[in-house]
Amino acid sequence: QSVLTQPPSVSGAPGQRVTISCSGSSSNIGAGYDVHWYQQLPRTAPKLLIYGNSNRPSGVPDRFSGSKSGTSASLAITGLQAEDDGDYYCQSYDSSLSEVFGGGTKLTVL
Amino acid sequence: QVQLQESGPGLVKPSETLSLICTVSTWSIRSYDWSWIRQPAGKGLEWIGRMYGSGSTNYNPSLKSRVTMSLDTSNNQFSLKLSSVTAADTAVYYCARDHGLCTNSICYDAFDIWGQGEMVTVSS
Repeated sequence: QSVLTQPPSVSGAPGQRVTISCSGSSSNIGAGYDVHWYQQLPRTAPKLLIYGNSNRPSGVPDRFSGSKSGTSASLAITGLQAEDDGDYYCQSYDSSLSEVFGGGTKLTVL
Repeated sequence: QVQLQESGPGLVKPSETLSLICTVSTWSIRSYDWSWIRQPAGKGLEWIGRMYGSGSTNYNPSLKSRVTMSLDTSNNQFSLKLSSVTAADTAVYYCARDHGLCTNSICYDAFDIWGQGEMVTVSS
């Protein structure tokens, strides 16, 4: 059972928009800790996609965006492409003194 | 170019100690903080602990009693030891750079560079 809750799967057709939610609590996201998002393509290591709730590292397309409100955060992907197919993880810090991840969401591009 | 590379035995016996090394190229290991993160097959990510460039550490409370991390500045490496392993410790183990990324004068710590991962199986 992960500290941060994500939907197990989402899907969308090429060109569509999808969102992935990340639900936390008053001991992590709701306490003001920042949220980061990682993309894990099949058989590869995770890659930082969004940091500090809504910022993209250099090289990440602006099709990816993040937001945070209250005890939750969201990742939005617009203009879906086949190459976006993979797993997505949110991450934050918890006042139990640990970095915590969501359980991951599998994105399927139909 | 490979920037972070995990290495170590791929097979560890139950009750023994898992040992992994992460070799860092491109940067001095003293200049950044570093983390170990693991992922059981088909499952999510779990943070194991952090090695600060200063040499201090902090560990996931759920693993703290079994984890030791250390720096080897002469070889620009940092290591992970996990004692008393069981089958539940079977996973891909990643090392990652723990870096403050700054935007508009605000900096956020995130895992911005990852190694390719090392599969470790606990089995007799």
